[in-house]
Amino acid sequence: DAKTTQPPSMDCAEGRAANLPCNHSTISGNEYVYWYRQIHSQGPQYIIHGLKNNETNEMASLIITEDRKSSTLILPHATLRDTAVYYCIVRPFGVGNTGNQFYFGTGTSLTVIP
Amino acid sequence: AAGVIQSPRHLIKEKRETATLKCYPIPRHDTVYWYQQGPGQDPQFLISFYEKMQSDKGSIPDRFSAQQFSDYHSELNMSSLELGDSALYFCASSAPPDNYGYTFGSGTRLTVV
Repeated sequence: DAKTTQPPSMDCAEGRAANLPCNHSTISGNEYVYWYRQIHSQGPQYIIHGLKNNETNEMASLIITEDRKSSTLILPHATLRDTAVYYCIVRPFGVGNTGNQFYFGTGTSLTVIP
Repeated sequence: AAGVIQSPRHLIKEKRETATLKCYPIPRHDTVYWYQQGPGQDPQFLISFYEKMQSDKGSIPDRFSAQQFSDYHSELNMSSLELGDSALYFCASSAPPDNYGYTFGSGTRLTVV
């Protein structure tokens, strides 16, 4: 079951940083924070994940608070193509062959405005 | 790079008919997941397979069944179709260690009329 809370929608000006918050106050010690996004009717796309350290890749940065109860996904220079629904999901790490599914809750619909 | 291939892309069926959706995972991926996404809804986990065995079961109706074959492709069989089964059906695949997330296909849009 989804164990995260995200704002239902956000706007961001093109070229500016988009900061998408996520609360996961009941996260367990063995659970990672994952971010996916879904552009209209396409398959969800993996963005980034982290455990407790901040992470960065070519798509985004992930900032996780020290208590791990919340995180922020940062798209440094949002473009119109970043308009999508962004999902924050927590999932255990290394559970073996079961329990690896992602449960998508109600994500944040990000609209990048020209 | 090879992606997850789903077929068909679109499918129209009448009520009470059957439908079979196919998923071809990324080469060397041994785990397949099926999701259903109704209009305006978030993706819902249906079922998953690891090494041709069912690994987890979500909100899959009893009218649906699925399996993973020896070549690791998977099929979702849907019988006695109802109007409410109209949805996007996504397949995803992964390989251990899959902690980097998994890759979704482009989906099959099923319309039941």
